[in-house]
Amino acid sequence: DVKVTQSSRYLVKRTGEKVFLECVQDMDHENMFWYRQDPGLGLRLIYFSYDVKMKEKGDIPEGYSVSREKKERFSLILESASTNQTSMYLCASSLLAGEYNEQFFGPGTRLTVL
Amino acid sequence: AQKITQTQPGMFVQEKEAVTLDCTYDTSDPSYGLFWYKQPSSGEMIFLIYQGSYDQQNATEGRYSLNFQKARKSANLVISASQLGDSAMYFCAMREGIFLSNTGNQFYFGTGTSLTVIP
Repeated sequence: DVKVTQSSRYLVKRTGEKVFLECVQDMDHENMFWYRQDPGLGLRLIYFSYDVKMKEKGDIPEGYSVSREKKERFSLILESASTNQTSMYLCASSLLAGEYNEQFFGPGTRLTVL
Repeated sequence: AQKITQTQPGMFVQEKEAVTLDCTYDTSDPSYGLFWYKQPSSGEMIFLIYQGSYDQQNATEGRYSLNFQKARKSANLVISASQLGDSAMYFCAMREGIFLSNTGNQFYFGTGTSLTVIP
């Protein structure tokens, strides 16, 4: 079974803190993604990566950065957390090529910034 | 313009009845794939069904089927014989350039439909 894990299910941080969200997948997928999910807005793509050290901005990259040093690990970094970054963060992975390759999701991290 | 539009924020259905969740999409790419995901209250995203733009037949997967109308750019999910466990958020998503290996990586998601199954 494909497994995508995220470092925390729940996280509480203070404004201005640097926050790291970690995501690990065990199926040798090339693609990895970070989304945030807010009520009424669905899933919005923050960043994605299709290879080690490669990254592409999604729809809402402002205030975030990412790191992919190893194929199985994709980190989302909030350099200086703000209250408007309180949200559910979902990590996903997929194969690079192939028509039927759906995204596999982690369980999500619910981040609260106070 | 929105790539994926789900116009039903919330839906109710009686147990054992069928329900249709609407999804329309916008793309000029001839090669695309459409996906439906279910998100229960626990939060995990569960893949349900896939339809490719060149597929001649509508996709089916158990109680799930996809009513694919290419000319109208719609890909509605039909759930037959609804069960209490079907209560969840449902998301429609699209990926473009599905036959290319170096593009077509981004998925576009709709805003979701919250389905409640009434006993």
